Amino acid sequence: DTGVSQNPRHKITKRGQNVTFRCDPISEHNRLYWYRQTLGQGPEFLTYFQNEAQLEKSRLLSDRFSAERPKGSFSTLEIQRTEQGDSAMYLCASSRGLAGAYEQYFGPGTRLTVT
Amino acid sequence: ILNVEQSPQSLHVQEGDSTNFTCSFPSSNFYALHWYRWETAKSPEALFVMTLNGDEKKKGRISATLNTKEGYSYLYIKGSQPEDSATYLCASTGMEYGNKLVFGAGTILRVKS
Repeated sequence: DTGVSQNPRHKITKRGQNVTFRCDPISEHNRLYWYRQTLGQGPEFLTYFQNEAQLEKSRLLSDRFSAERPKGSFSTLEIQRTEQGDSAMYLCASSRGLAGAYEQYFGPGTRLTVT
Repeated sequence: ILNVEQSPQSLHVQEGDSTNFTCSFPSSNFYALHWYRWETAKSPEALFVMTLNGDEKKKGRISATLNTKEGYSYLYIKGSQPEDSATYLCASTGMEYGNKLVFGAGTILRVKS
């Protein structure tokens, strides 16, 4: 069990550019979550996968955001035409069961700064 | 709307002090309450997952209680140490929220030696 990893840890981009983040969950976990955290707030749910199926998306996830988990293993989160309001910490988590009953294991996050 | 509130927003204590934080959540359709510790530059770490009214859980010097009827949970730290300095997050989910955890804004704890 090597934990959840995220890459890159930091990303600085100019407004209008596209960015992609990667999350590698714990291998036996079939559930994967993406959250966004801004200063002074707790993490906010963005989207959730069970294996390769994206089962839920928050209304926070505009059509500029897309997430995939192609083989039910790693996941990517892409933001197109970034805006300054997208600056945040993007956290990935995985679990082996439903969010209510099982703890989530988080990665260290990717901090995005849009200039 | 599932709204989770945490208090205080921040706390500064001396090494050896005991402290506690509060997490409030809607009691209707409650399913589970999670506590996480998030140290700077590290991953949030799960402390407890609690589902039953009256539940008490303990991990070392940290313990938590749950009251689902009135919609609150307390996190206690006994004999705070500098390494306890972190942001403590609680998150709740209700029956209609399925797999979504709704987090509070967190309590920032700073322990001075």
